[in-house]
Amino acid sequence: KQEVTQIPAALSVPEGENLVLNCSFTDSAIYNLQWFRQDPGKGLTSLLLIQSSQREQTSGRLNASLDKSSGRSTLYIAASQPGDSATYLCAPVMNTGFQKLVFGTGTRLLVSP
Amino acid sequence: DAGVTQSPTHLIKTRGQQVTLRCSPKSGHDTVSWYQQALGQGPQFIFQYYEEEERQRGNFPDRFSGHQFPNYSSELNVNALLLGDSALYLCASSGGGLTNTGELFFGEGSRLTVL
Repeated sequence: KQEVTQIPAALSVPEGENLVLNCSFTDSAIYNLQWFRQDPGKGLTSLLLIQSSQREQTSGRLNASLDKSSGRSTLYIAASQPGDSATYLCAPVMNTGFQKLVFGTGTRLLVSP
Repeated sequence: DAGVTQSPTHLIKTRGQQVTLRCSPKSGHDTVSWYQQALGQGPQFIFQYYEEEERQRGNFPDRFSGHQFPNYSSELNVNALLLGDSALYLCASSGGGLTNTGELFFGEGSRLTVL
């Protein structure tokens, strides 16, 4: 059974800092991995999708890496802004032919002005 | 291009009642998945529909059932509601043949409160 752990559970930083959010998963037989952002009481917004054959994916100030063999992914946020405050969730997709996401409890980020 | 839309956004029910939640997938998507997110937790997979069939199910009781229509929209039904069913219910869509990247897109969710 796939288990996902995200560290830290919560993070509070001043504006402008560069951040690293960590995600680990127990089963490396994944098809791909998605990072999401969730604002309080809202749905999930897809940030980045990394295919299992890729090592890295970038979108603007966000960069995600994937080390499938060690069961790890990291999300790097450059020059953080107050608008980045949200919960960040990583979700590996199992290589079963079905696009089923397995989530951890996320990292709650607060960026202060 | 409309994204994933869900209705209703909020609803309140009492124990023992039944509820139906609705989802329209992103244009061009043919697969719909449902997730339950309790407060402070990550979303949990309920089931997935493709070609109007349930093709995978998570660890949820039979009180949770669903349906997919020919236009790919979907419903989630929960019978005999319990207090523990209070949660944010999220719909995700994916698929679309040759354009399928494997990426899932979520709606804003339906917040269910059971009293």
